[in-house]
Amino acid sequence: DVKVTQSSRYLVKRTGEKVFLECVQDMDHENMFWYRQDPGLGLRLIYFSYDVKMKEKGDIPEGYSVSREKKERFSLILESASTNQTSMYLCASSLASRGAITYNEQFFGPGTRLTVL
Amino acid sequence: QKEVEQNSGPLSVPEGAIASLNCTYSDRGSQSFFWYRQYSGKSPELIMFIYSNGDKEDGRFTAQLNKASQYVSLLIRDSQPSDSATYLCAVTPLRNDYKLSFGAGTTVTVRA
Repeated sequence: DVKVTQSSRYLVKRTGEKVFLECVQDMDHENMFWYRQDPGLGLRLIYFSYDVKMKEKGDIPEGYSVSREKKERFSLILESASTNQTSMYLCASSLASRGAITYNEQFFGPGTRLTVL
Repeated sequence: QKEVEQNSGPLSVPEGAIASLNCTYSDRGSQSFFWYRQYSGKSPELIMFIYSNGDKEDGRFTAQLNKASQYVSLLIRDSQPSDSATYLCAVTPLRNDYKLSFGAGTTVTVRA
């Protein structure tokens, strides 16, 4: 089974703090994703990575950065946390292509509920 | 127009009934379609995927895809209280086949 883990289930930080959210997957997946989920707004993609050291902006990258130094680990960084970044953060991973087949299914971690005071 | 739209909920069905969830998508070139289930406070869990027109059955779940109508649905037969959750439809857009576009979700409540 694919396992995606996130470093914290709940996190409380203060405005202006630098926040690191860590995600690790154990299935050798090429693609990794960071989403936030807010009531009424659904899942919104922040950043994704399709390879080590490669990243691409999603729909709402402002205020966030990411790091992928190793294939299994994808970090989301809030450079200076603000109250509007209070949200549920979800990490996901997917296998890329094997031969002519593209695998799109994304598998999610348990989520980190971040509160910024 | 949103890329993926789901029928608005919440949807309440009695135990044992069929729950029918609908999803339409705007990108005609989309190739892969997924249904996720999300319990309150938990992360989404993949329950079905479908790539070809027609029906795909897995236990009590049936996914139906009609690419001409840009429509995908999920039927839950013999609904159980444990099926009470939010169901998310997700579609792979043609222009970027490793991303998913998610619908807002439909919340289903199964009444015992």
